[in-house]
Amino acid sequence: QVQLQESGPGLVKPSETLSLTCNVSGYSISSGYYWGWIRQPPGKGLEWIGSMYHSGSTYYNPSLKSRVTISVDTSKNQISLKLSSVTAADTAVYYCARAPKASSTSTTVTTIDYWGQGTRVTVSS
Amino acid sequence: DIVMTQTPLSSPVTLGQPASISCRSSQSLVHSDGNTYLSWLQQRPGQPPRLLIYKISNRFSGVPDRFSGSGAGTDFTLKISRVEAEDVGVYYCTQATQFPLTFGGGTKVEIK
Repeated sequence: QVQLQESGPGLVKPSETLSLTCNVSGYSISSGYYWGWIRQPPGKGLEWIGSMYHSGSTYYNPSLKSRVTISVDTSKNQISLKLSSVTAADTAVYYCARAPKASSTSTTVTTIDYWGQGTRVTVSS
Repeated sequence: DIVMTQTPLSSPVTLGQPASISCRSSQSLVHSDGNTYLSWLQQRPGQPPRLLIYKISNRFSGVPDRFSGSGAGTDFTLKISRVEAEDVGVYYCTQATQFPLTFGGGTKVEIK
């Protein structure tokens, strides 16, 4: 059973960089799938942040692209998120998630099949 | 970006009765590979989202058969044949046909 567990600071100051880590168990991230992040502001809907394949192919939401970096550490079976220059609008629950590829040669993802429990991040001074 | 619009915003349902949620996309979700990457998620109160349905009508592992999906092109529907208490929550449609992945605004299913 694939399990994803996010961790990181629950409070970040405005203008600083938000850094989160997701530990993956039950599946090797180097065996396939895209791995990424989705967030949910309090009381609101879902926003896809970006996804990365272990070989380096990465896709980001254009609305966040200038501030986001997603990376994968296959030796630790972890994925990471960095979001720079945060404001109160970045306050949200952040989920890490797995996305299957359409085929071994495709760059298309088909859905988001496994989600972490989420970690709440508040941006405030 | 593809905009996903769900209706209704809220759906009060009597236990044991059916429920239906609609989702419309701003453009066709048919991918160049011929597949339609439209999924449905369930988010119970205080829980992360959970995949219910992928590629319009395929139930994910462990999902009860009272959940079904249908549709094509830009119009899609999630149906719950007989609502149970554990079905309370917010349901989202989502598309993966085109980056960025986008989500509908959500439909809250509650018991009357």
